[in-house]
Amino acid sequence: DAKTTQPPSMDCAEGRAANLPCNHSTISGNEYVYWYRQIHSQGPQYIIHGLKNNETNEMASLIITEDRKSSTLILPHATLRDTAVYYCIVRGRSGSARQLTFGSGTQLTVLP
Amino acid sequence: GAVVSQHPSWVICKSGTSVKIECRSLDFQATTMFWYRQFPKQSLMLMATSNEGSKATYEQGVEKDKFLINHASLTLSTLTVTSAHPEDSSFYICSARGGASGDYEQYFGPGTRLTVT
Repeated sequence: DAKTTQPPSMDCAEGRAANLPCNHSTISGNEYVYWYRQIHSQGPQYIIHGLKNNETNEMASLIITEDRKSSTLILPHATLRDTAVYYCIVRGRSGSARQLTFGSGTQLTVLP
Repeated sequence: GAVVSQHPSWVICKSGTSVKIECRSLDFQATTMFWYRQFPKQSLMLMATSNEGSKATYEQGVEKDKFLINHASLTLSTLTVTSAHPEDSSFYICSARGGASGDYEQYFGPGTRLTVT
């Protein structure tokens, strides 16, 4: 699976949009970009995933660059409860898809 | 849907004893289950992968005789930490994946905090 690079930490003001970047320059054509988050002392929570088109759900938006070498997770209106470690993961999704491999992620702190 | 539970949520045990952690998929059949371990301020590290009815595949550096994994049914996997030592204290997280209907997503349990005294 392709390796990802994320900034170790970011701050965001409550109510503002949080934009979390991820570089995955070695991503291959059949690999998806997944985002999970982990609130302190809890299991990871799925946020969103995409292949090459931008995606949006009730939690967030995922913007993937045209060359697919980077992506941005957008939390449109961050709240204090969004404080967590956010993991960007690249993974194949075929029948023989491998397990999710976690990097070090980005610690997002939402400030009041 | 796609809920994974773990029991217990936390456990304290004495050094030398064994501890069993259960992982259940509540509303789907999990053909594959994963066990992760997370030390403080570190990321999740995969310990092993198990398919229902088969022996688990352990990651390099994980002792299979110390961390016994049983995946006897499509909804239950157990991790037994045998002869636990203080260095085994960690946050253990299971994850389950379906597959019967093409669902290859992984769903995570809430984790189990193990403290060995």
